[in-house]
Amino acid sequence: QVQLQESGPGLVKPSQTLSLTCTVSGGSISSGSYYWSWIRQPAGKGLEWIGRIYTSGSTNYNPSLKSRVTISVDTSKNQFSLKLSSVTAADTAVYYCARDPGLLSGDWYFDLWGRGTLVTVSS
Amino acid sequence: QSALTQPASVSGSPGQSITISCTGTSSDVGSYNLVSWYQQHPGKAPKLMIYEVSKRPSGVSNRFSGSKSGNTASLTISGLQAEDEADYYCCSYAGSSTYVVFGGGTKLTVL
Repeated sequence: QVQLQESGPGLVKPSQTLSLTCTVSGGSISSGSYYWSWIRQPAGKGLEWIGRIYTSGSTNYNPSLKSRVTISVDTSKNQFSLKLSSVTAADTAVYYCARDPGLLSGDWYFDLWGRGTLVTVSS
Repeated sequence: QSALTQPASVSGSPGQSITISCTGTSSDVGSYNLVSWYQQHPGKAPKLMIYEVSKRPSGVSNRFSGSKSGNTASLTISGLQAEDEADYYCCSYAGSSTYVVFGGGTKLTVL
């Protein structure tokens, strides 16, 4: 059974870069027709899609975050990663990694989620 | 402010049915049959309940159903149970520039 697990620092200083990794276990990140996404949720608020990557390295980003976001993949480690630069308090949120099975169908939905990790931006 | 509009809260008694609306525009909900719904219990990750407007993933109760009319999608839960109490979020594809947008979420209370 495939599982996703986020990891990374829980505290980041303002203006620095937030870095998170999602490890895929129970299956290969390269198998199947999946995109791999990052989604975040500020406390008490709704969900915001950040971006996604395919194992070829092809990416799509939320236009509102595109200038600050980089998503990469390391198939040898079965991981994909998020970097968000120049963070402010507004970037404080629970960050989720998720699987999107829409590569072949063109669909957009998230059928598997990690448990999420809280990242706080504070000095 | 979220791109898709959901009521902040809905409530119902056990056994009743409730419907949660998700209103978008002709650029998202109205143009694509790519609406999904997620259930989120406190402190937990979201769980996919409906995709492609009305399809249920394996393992999701048939008490959950989805539909769409024009720019508004809806999630209906029939035979309400205590464990249905959670937050529900809608999501829609919004084209190749914006990609995907979420609703602000609806808190379902089972009375």
